[in-house]
Amino acid sequence: QVQLQESGPGLVKPSETLSLTCIVSGGSISSHYWSWFRQPPGKGLEWIGYIYYNGNTNYNPSLKSRVTISVDTSKNQFSLKLSSVTTADTAVYFCARRDTSGWWSFDYWGQGTLVTVSS
Amino acid sequence: DIQMTQSPSSLSASVGDGVTITCRASQSIGSYLNWYQQKPGKAPKLLIYAISHLQSGVPSRLSGSGSGTDFTLTISSLQPEDSATYYCQQSYSTPYTFGQGTKVEI
Repeated sequence: QVQLQESGPGLVKPSETLSLTCIVSGGSISSHYWSWFRQPPGKGLEWIGYIYYNGNTNYNPSLKSRVTISVDTSKNQFSLKLSSVTTADTAVYFCARRDTSGWWSFDYWGQGTLVTVSS
Repeated sequence: DIQMTQSPSSLSASVGDGVTITCRASQSIGSYLNWYQQKPGKAPKLLIYAISHLQSGVPSRLSGSGSGTDFTLTISSLQPEDSATYYCQQSYSTPYTFGQGTKVEI
């Protein structure tokens, strides 16, 4: 059973960089696409971007100038960096796996981690 | 971006009732429509992919239908554990986008 676990600081100051890591267990990170999502408190879901195990990425244009997603296959993990954060970036951040069926749903998710942007 | 619009935003029903949630895309998305269930404090859970394919372990009282731009999620006999927020999501093109959610109360 594939499991994903997010980790990283729960509090980030405005203008600084948010950094999160998602550790994948129970399966290989290879041959899959891996995504980040976020959900502001009480609001809906937003796709941030994805990375393929070979390092190819695709970002949401609304965040593209501030987002970097990277992968470390040796550690079976991938990471998110979001720069120049503001209070609008306060959200629960989820990592997830895009399925391999060809329909591109997201079949495995981490539990989520709340990141608060505040001075 | 493809806009996804769900209705209603919330509904209240009783155990055993049938309920339907509608999702409309701003352009045709073929069969690239997925449904998720989210309970408070939890991650979304994939229920249905490609309009009507039930994810493994999802009860058969849930079903999906539709085509092109209009889609529905139906719960045929509501159970207490179905109390949650439901989201549709298009995977036709990036950026992937979600509906605003439908909160189902029992």
